[in-house]
Amino acid sequence: IHLTQSPSSLPAFVGDRVTITCRASQGISNYLAWYQQKPGKAPKLLIYAASTLQSGVPSRFSGSGSGTDFTLTISSLQPEDFATYYCQQVFRYPYPFGQGTKLEIK
Amino acid sequence: EVHLVESGGGLVYPGGSLRLSCSASGFNFSDFAMQWVRQAPEKGLEFVSAINGNGATTYYADSVKGRFTISRDNSKNTLYFQMSSLKPEDTGVYYCVKDRVRWSGVSEYWGQGTLVTVSS
Repeated sequence: IHLTQSPSSLPAFVGDRVTITCRASQGISNYLAWYQQKPGKAPKLLIYAASTLQSGVPSRFSGSGSGTDFTLTISSLQPEDFATYYCQQVFRYPYPFGQGTKLEIK
Repeated sequence: EVHLVESGGGLVYPGGSLRLSCSASGFNFSDFAMQWVRQAPEKGLEFVSAINGNGATTYYADSVKGRFTISRDNSKNTLYFQMSSLKPEDTGVYYCVKDRVRWSGVSEYWGQGTLVTVSS
């Protein structure tokens, strides 16, 4: 199962609403997670089961989708949200990640 | 509070071996699957290997199958990763990861990572 994330780079302003998409090469139900990674740091779990917010993650983050098409939405970008985001399918081993989306300040 | 601390990384020649360790605390270690995830310099994340709570079931990415071995010692709350026949493309930061529940594949907690460099 392969994952295709888009876009690979996303320039945006603080306060913008942004959406990142992740498409699976075959159906994975809702077995999808999203992670945030800042430079030089370990990734952080944001969302699992496609739409369940991990404890402690701000409510401006949300996830949706099922089957093959998924989205991560940030409703109002904050300065600390500029980072790289990865999706990962956990339906079947090996558990591949998407190639990443780098969210950049415009 | 969950803590995962990796060790054992370093510089090794191609064809060499290295053993990574991950010391875990703050949770009942034997109740959770664990993983190794790596990241090559300036590249994305790559799942490498996973092991269930009692160590009986393991999974490997095709890129490391037959060369790397994941194991755990639940009495010591420690995860291991024996890497052999290392190649330059194995270079990267290796993260020790705790599953969110007993076995879901979701990486809830990550260590700080340990750098492995394979070079002559």
